[in-house]
Amino acid sequence: SQELEQSPQSLIVQEGKNLTINCTSSKTLYGLYWYKQKYGEGLIFLMMLQKGGEEKSHEKITAKLDEKKQQSSLHITASQPSHAGIYLCGADEGNTPLVFGKGTRLSVIA
Amino acid sequence: NAGVTQTPKFQVLKTGQSMTLQCAQDMNHEYMSWYRQDPGMGLRLIHYSVGAGITDQGEVPNGYNVSRSTTEDFPLRLLSAAPSQTSVYFCASAGLRTVSRNEQFFGPGTRLTVL
Repeated sequence: SQELEQSPQSLIVQEGKNLTINCTSSKTLYGLYWYKQKYGEGLIFLMMLQKGGEEKSHEKITAKLDEKKQQSSLHITASQPSHAGIYLCGADEGNTPLVFGKGTRLSVIA
Repeated sequence: NAGVTQTPKFQVLKTGQSMTLQCAQDMNHEYMSWYRQDPGMGLRLIHYSVGAGITDQGEVPNGYNVSRSTTEDFPLRLLSAAPSQTSVYFCASAGLRTVSRNEQFFGPGTRLTVL
C-alpha cells in the first residue's frame, strides 16, 4: 500500500520567512493532495496535483509534484501567523481512498 | 450551507459502552468517509461510502460499524468502546461527479475518550 513520508515533522519559522514541507511516496503517485488543519479543527483542502512537473498556487502557498511523481513539496512565501497549523499530504491510486502522511506541524512566530 | 456537521463535539465513554457518532452533510455529496486521528499515526480511514446503501471498509474498521440509509447521513457506531478507540474522529464528504472524491470537505471532529 501507499506510504507517505512527510518532512520535517515540525517547523517553527519567524513571520515573513519562507518555508518548504516535503512529502515523499514509496510508490509513483497518481493523485497528490495537500490539506491544512488548524489546531483543533477539521481539514481544509488546499490543492491537488496529478501530472509530473505540475505546480499550483493558492495565495502564498505553492505546491509542486516532481517529474517522477514520487515527491511533492509545499512552499509558503512570507509566512504569516494565519499559516500556522498542520499540513498533511494525501495520495490516492485513482479514485481509491486517500492515504495520508503523518503531517507537518507549522508554527509561525512574530 | 452548513457543510459537514458532526455531533457530539466531545464524548467520554466507559469501556464496553456503545454510542453513535453522527455525521451529516447538506451538499448532496455521494462520497462520505470516517477517519480517526491519533498522535504519531496521522489520519487513518475507518469506513467509507460511495452512495446510499453502499459502504466499505478502510484501513482500521475493527470495532466500528457504519450504514448509509440516506445521502445526507453517515453515522459511525462503536459497538463496545475500548480505550484504544480514544481518538479524534473526522467525517468527510465529496462529490463524485464533478471533482475527485478525494477533494473532501471535513467536519470539525468529535473528540472521544474511552475510560
